[in-house]
Amino acid sequence: EPEVTQTPSHQVTQMGQEVILRCVPISNHLYFYWYRQILGQKVEFLVSFYNNEISEKSEIFDDQFSVERPDGSNFTLKIRSTKLEDSAMYFCASSGRTGFGQFFGPGTRLTVL
Amino acid sequence: AQTVTQSQPEMSVQEAETVTLSCTYDTSESNYYLFWYKQPPSRQMILVIRQEAYKQQNATENRFSVNFQKAAKSFSLKISDSQLGDTAMYFCAFMNGGTASKLTFGTGTRLQVTL
Repeated sequence: EPEVTQTPSHQVTQMGQEVILRCVPISNHLYFYWYRQILGQKVEFLVSFYNNEISEKSEIFDDQFSVERPDGSNFTLKIRSTKLEDSAMYFCASSGRTGFGQFFGPGTRLTVL
Repeated sequence: AQTVTQSQPEMSVQEAETVTLSCTYDTSESNYYLFWYKQPPSRQMILVIRQEAYKQQNATENRFSVNFQKAAKSFSLKISDSQLGDTAMYFCAFMNGGTASKLTFGTGTRLQVTL
């Protein structure tokens, strides 16, 4: 069964460093998303991406964040200058049709020291 | 803005018993979808069940079913014949009917299935 994959599974970085989180969505899906979950809290929306552009972004998704779909398979989230409060689990999700359900990857645990 | 409320932070059920998790939501939209996601200790988010707001019939997936009360804006999840593997955090989520719409999650209910 096709699944969303994410790399790395765990990333440790120093405050102020840039990180790139990578995702490979399910191949025939059209809609792509990033969410994050601070430990013990609910899952929060960051950004949605469709037709090679951002559809919607949350207040969390400020100028330090960017997304890219550099080729037909990868979908990346870049954090330019990480802060301590960026420490969280970051989930990529994809969907084939509106309302069909979003399928999540296993997440990347980001730790900022 | 839509909000999703899960008023039960934790619940416990014995193996083979039935448990119901509550969820209410608030929206002014008429076209939307509702979901339940399961998050086991691995922290993977797993889609359990979905409901389209325009369908009156309650969704069912094997041991999982929902009670969708549109007028009351209520969307509860019933798990029948609970199994140890059902132990997880369960999140209720709302999505508008638009293109590339986001999921808005509740705060979750931690379910423990005991022997």
